[in-house]
Amino acid sequence: GAVVSQHPSRVICKSGTSVKIECRSLDFQATTMFWYRQFPKQSLMLMATSNEGSKATYEQGVEKDKFLINHASLTLSTLTVTSAHPEDSSFYICSARRGSPPYEQYFGPGTRLTVT
Amino acid sequence: AQSVTQLGSHVSVSEGALVLLRCNYSSSVPPYLFWYVQYPNQGLQLLLKYTSAATLVKGINGFEAEFKKSETSFHLTKPSAHMSDAAEYFCAVSDGNAGNMLTFGGGTRLMVKP
Repeated sequence: GAVVSQHPSRVICKSGTSVKIECRSLDFQATTMFWYRQFPKQSLMLMATSNEGSKATYEQGVEKDKFLINHASLTLSTLTVTSAHPEDSSFYICSARRGSPPYEQYFGPGTRLTVT
Repeated sequence: AQSVTQLGSHVSVSEGALVLLRCNYSSSVPPYLFWYVQYPNQGLQLLLKYTSAATLVKGINGFEAEFKKSETSFHLTKPSAHMSDAAEYFCAVSDGNAGNMLTFGGGTRLMVKP
């Protein structure tokens, strides 16, 4: 149990377009989901925390108008990178926190975004 | 505020040798501590976690870690390295709740020589 999926696993888009990444908890309800960003050979940096039914909380330095996060249900959160630029190319990883004990986080497999 | 420092961004060991990956943390509250492994182009897999119970924690794939409050450390060890252990390892801390946001260390790339 406790499986988190992400779709797509890889995406290539042109500069100026928008890309949506989905994060799903497949066998549990997630009241909270986290979005992380990982640059090559670097660690994970938390971008934002999303709670089901409310606005996401963004970390300092993360543009909320550029990285739109929606957590419309207990099993789905989406990250939309708007007007993507090459510097947005990165590995995006989500994690989902159980809404019932044990309140642990489970990570998705990640999405590789390349902006050309 | 909390932070994690992983000493050594790259560690190289021979197959069969002891693996030691170092992690020191800073936290204003009793911490929950985690070790994750990441293979290329994949997400994170939990190796083990400390949640204020036993200070010596055993995880998957033969790894274990010991929480030492006096040293604010949570080093990861494995008695005998396998080639398949070659990966990136991340130490992380959360503020007293396993489901709260995680702060990650910079990561350590483990290389295993035949």
